[in-house]
Amino acid sequence: NAGVTQTPKFQVLKTGQSMTLQCAQDMNHEYMSWYRQDPGMGLRLIHYSVGAGITDQGEVPNGYNVSRSTTEDFPLRLLSAAPSQTSVYFCASRLGREQETQYFGPGTRLLVL
Amino acid sequence: GQSLEQPSEVTAVEGAIVQINCTYQTSGFYGLSWYQQHDGGAPTFLSYNALDGLEETGRFSSFLSRSDSYGYLLLQELQMKDSASYFCAVRDSSASKIIFGSGTRLSIRP
Repeated sequence: NAGVTQTPKFQVLKTGQSMTLQCAQDMNHEYMSWYRQDPGMGLRLIHYSVGAGITDQGEVPNGYNVSRSTTEDFPLRLLSAAPSQTSVYFCASRLGREQETQYFGPGTRLLVL
Repeated sequence: GQSLEQPSEVTAVEGAIVQINCTYQTSGFYGLSWYQQHDGGAPTFLSYNALDGLEETGRFSSFLSRSDSYGYLLLQELQMKDSASYFCAVRDSSASKIIFGSGTRLSIRP
């Protein structure tokens, strides 16, 4: 199993550009989440999904969209990038509602100029 | 909502014991988890306490007191490779979301 994979590893955007961060898992996990990590701020939840076709907002959803058309994939879209979205983005998954262990992808480092 | 408080930094000596505390406020509580993250890496799951008491896994132990809304991670026989950030985490009342504390950076001196 590859676990949770994320692409790209690094990205530089200009303000106003859009892009999609890719996330995939091959563990047949129901629950998937996107977090952003800024220095001293810990991991903040952006959006999450409890199954294909079901998504909801986390703590900091503004400026981001998600969709979950398959169990495996959970892309995160930045509609119009802003410097405040410079961060490290982690995708995570877990088996289901009662499972505590969350598995993280390697992260995407995003710089918005 | 949920909030978790943990110290931002802790320093310890190689071979010693260190305790990282976490206090939480939640509208519903299932248990307390701990994750480790090395610089430049992704968080990895360490432990989970659903019930009061101490859970031991090798050099790492985790403790929970539900009545005090408090837990801690105990690291024994510290090694340089334990230098990392440690996060406590809880599920929200619906169990759909996992919320993290802001993390404790552990620095180990020789």
